[in-house]
Amino acid sequence: EAGVVQSPRYKIIEKKQPVAFWCNPISGHNTLYWYRQNLGQGPELLIRYENEEAVDDSQLPKDRFSAERLKGVDSTLKIQPAELGDSAVYLCASSSGGPYNEQFFGPGTRLTVL
Amino acid sequence: GQNIDQPTEMTATEGAIVQINCTYQTSGFNGLFWYQQHAGEAPTFLSYNVLDGLEEKGRFSSFLSRSKGYSYLLLKELQMKDSASYHCAALDSYYQLIWGAGTKLIIKP
Repeated sequence: EAGVVQSPRYKIIEKKQPVAFWCNPISGHNTLYWYRQNLGQGPELLIRYENEEAVDDSQLPKDRFSAERLKGVDSTLKIQPAELGDSAVYLCASSSGGPYNEQFFGPGTRLTVL
Repeated sequence: GQNIDQPTEMTATEGAIVQINCTYQTSGFNGLFWYQQHAGEAPTFLSYNVLDGLEEKGRFSSFLSRSKGYSYLLLKELQMKDSASYHCAALDSYYQLIWGAGTKLIIKP
């Protein structure tokens, strides 16, 4: 069974440019998470989806970040415009059956903003 | 506020036993997870505790005390491949997972 797929794996952009990350969760997983992880820190939740509904986006900086999960399957996270402080690894994870169950993570996208 | 505390770094010897402690303060509590993360890779699930006590899974065991807001991860018969960061993460009353910064475990031969 395929795991969580993310693309791109690496992205280098200049500040003020837009960037988008894509995630395809494990088939059948209704819950999808986007995290941001800085070096030496734990993952920080940005948004959680149950099917196509964003049920927790309290940590998403809505002035520049947006996300969507059309049809409740794959998802896109966008930053526009990017700032230097957005440099981090963006992780996507999925799970079945809600927050009590283990999350399966994708390999992440390492974003560098110059 | 919500907080997870765990040591920044620990060192242990191959073949030995190591215990990684975690204390948590969250708005409500719905269980505690441990994840392993090798350098440059994504986290992978190790354990989930919601009731007090010890859960054993092969060389790894996880303990929870809800009254003390305390958990530990016990790794036995350490192998070089166990060198990684270990994150403690608590599920709060809003079902949000609050992650610790991780404990970097260094295994020496």
